[in-house]
Amino acid sequence: EPEVTQTPSHQVTQMGQEVILRCVPISNHLYFYWYRQILGQKVEFLVSFYNNEISEKSEIFDDQFSVERPDGSNFTLKIRSTKLEDSAMYFCASGRALPSNTGELFFGEGSRLTVL
Amino acid sequence: SQQGEEDPQALSIQEGENATMNCSYKTSINNLQWYRQNSGRGLVHLILIRSNEREKHSGRLRVTLDTSKKSSSLLITASRAADTASYFCATINFGNEKLTFGTGTRLTIIP
Repeated sequence: EPEVTQTPSHQVTQMGQEVILRCVPISNHLYFYWYRQILGQKVEFLVSFYNNEISEKSEIFDDQFSVERPDGSNFTLKIRSTKLEDSAMYFCASGRALPSNTGELFFGEGSRLTVL
Repeated sequence: SQQGEEDPQALSIQEGENATMNCSYKTSINNLQWYRQNSGRGLVHLILIRSNEREKHSGRLRVTLDTSKKSSSLLITASRAADTASYFCATINFGNEKLTFGTGTRLTIIP
């Protein structure tokens, strides 16, 4: 069964360093998302991406964050200068249709980011 | 303000019993979805109910939606140890396409 894959599964970095989290969405999906979950807390929306551009972003997704779909298969989240509060599990998700339509999102297993 | 609030926050029941989790939300929605998350894993979609639907079934899952009370419930019948997980409701509001997740219910099934 097709699945969303994420790498790395765990990354430890020093504060101020750049981090790139990678995702390979399901191949025929058109809508791509990043969410994050701080330990023990709710899953928070970061950004949605469709047609090679950001369609929505949250207040969390500030200038330190960027997303890219460089080659038609990978979908990356870059954090330019990490802060301690960026420590969280980051989930990539993809969907074949808009959530308001058939709605279902498929999530990867997550990348745990630890900022020291 | 929190869009989705589940209750209870945690629930422990014996295997074979039914588990009911509730979700309340604040704004008008297009649809409401339930997801499961095993500890440290990704989220898995369970079921979607549209704003014009009142009840939906999928296997051992039954979801209800009351738009007048802005609430939904997820019933898992004949629970199994493998149902142990956190369950989240998530809403899609009119006018945007982002899923907004609730705070989750941590369900433990005691064998």
